[in-house]
Amino acid sequence: AQKITQTQPGMFVQEKEAVTLDCTYDTSDPSYGLFWYKQPSSGEMIFLIYQGSYDQQNATEGRYSLNFQKARKSANLVISASQLGDSAMYFCAMREGEYGGGNKLTFGTGTQLKVEL
Amino acid sequence: GAVVSQHPSRVICKSGTSVKIECRSLDFQATTMFWYRQFPKKSLMLMATSNEGSKATYEQGVEKDKFLINHASLTLSTLTVTSAHPEDSSFYICSARSDYNEQFFGPGTRLTVL
Repeated sequence: AQKITQTQPGMFVQEKEAVTLDCTYDTSDPSYGLFWYKQPSSGEMIFLIYQGSYDQQNATEGRYSLNFQKARKSANLVISASQLGDSAMYFCAMREGEYGGGNKLTFGTGTQLKVEL
Repeated sequence: GAVVSQHPSRVICKSGTSVKIECRSLDFQATTMFWYRQFPKKSLMLMATSNEGSKATYEQGVEKDKFLINHASLTLSTLTVTSAHPEDSSFYICSARSDYNEQFFGPGTRLTVL
């Protein structure tokens, strides 16, 4: 089974609108972390936001927020007030265990976001 | 945030030659670094976990003799693609783990094998 599933290969949003990028995960480990990264066409991976499995509140970082629904095993990324510069590939990733697996990340297949005027 | 560099950013080589890619943590020490491979419009696939002073741990299906990893210091890990072939052409990205369990990515190296 896929550990990280991103069901939206591509998304379009108008500038200044909010957009939600979906991510579901599968793990039996009670301790895990969820990450979102942005990858522009230049290729570098830019860290956006992190949610720990034991965190009581949803993570927020500026215009980014993570809608964490533990029972449903979903960790959707919400980008508010989209900007043209938000156009990029977005990856959801999971780290299982607090220090398990040497902290390696498993990535989803990504969502290509295009912000339009 | 912490900075991780990769060198070279882009390399073109002939089939049969070996290529070395460097990954450096510039302002922190990283006992663990990771090497990923990414095909166009695809996700990142972990190739191996590089631990300073010990042998790398390779993911299933990754040939350790093909992709040599050396983590000789706390700030440098190298990936050498030996006897490169066109199918090795890809985008290679490293990441480094800090003492605080954060993971920082390098800018990537685009390898093209002719």
